Amino acid sequence: AQTVTQSQPEMSVQEAETVTLSCTYDTSENNYYLFWYKQPPSRQMILVIRQEAYKQQNATENRFSVNFQKAAKSFSLKISDSQLGDTAMYFCAFMKTGRGSTLGRLYFGRGTQLTVWP
Amino acid sequence: DAGVTQSPTHLIKTRGQQVTLRCSPKSGHDTVSWYQQALGQGPQFIFQYYEEEERQRGNFPDRFSGHQFPNYSSELNVNALLLGDSALYLCASSLRRRMVTGELFFGEGSRLTVL
Repeated sequence: AQTVTQSQPEMSVQEAETVTLSCTYDTSENNYYLFWYKQPPSRQMILVIRQEAYKQQNATENRFSVNFQKAAKSFSLKISDSQLGDTAMYFCAFMKTGRGSTLGRLYFGRGTQLTVWP
Repeated sequence: DAGVTQSPTHLIKTRGQQVTLRCSPKSGHDTVSWYQQALGQGPQFIFQYYEEEERQRGNFPDRFSGHQFPNYSSELNVNALLLGDSALYLCASSLRRRMVTGELFFGEGSRLTVL
């Protein structure tokens, strides 16, 4: 079974500063994807960034980057130059790759509520 | 191009009643997955539909059932509602051949309150 753990229920950061959200996961799989999703008050899950497990290079999307440590099963999200619009719940998620009975199924952590203050 | 649309956005039911939630996938998508997100929790996978068949199922009782129509839209039905069924129900759509890379699009969810 796959489990995803987010140990920080809440985080806060001042606008323009940098914040890092933590995520660890447990799996016996070798091929998988990891994701960070953002869920603002509108409730819609929005993909922030995605990392393929076989890629050693950490993914980056503008102000968002990850620190992927496969051996440690750690996948943290760094948000640089935080903006007020980054205020949301952030979820870390895991997905097995390859075809099979669990194709496309996401396993989510419990989330971290990030508040960006002026 | 409309994204994933869900209806209703909010609803209130009483224990023992039945509820039907609806999802229209993003244009061109053929696979629909449903998730339950209880308050303060991450989403939990309920089931997935493709070609009008249930392809995967999470750890949910048979009270939870679904359907996919020829136009790829989907319904989630919950019978004999319990207080614990109160949650946000999220629909995610995808194109099956792109699912291997995790390309999923979520709707804004249906908030169900059971009294």
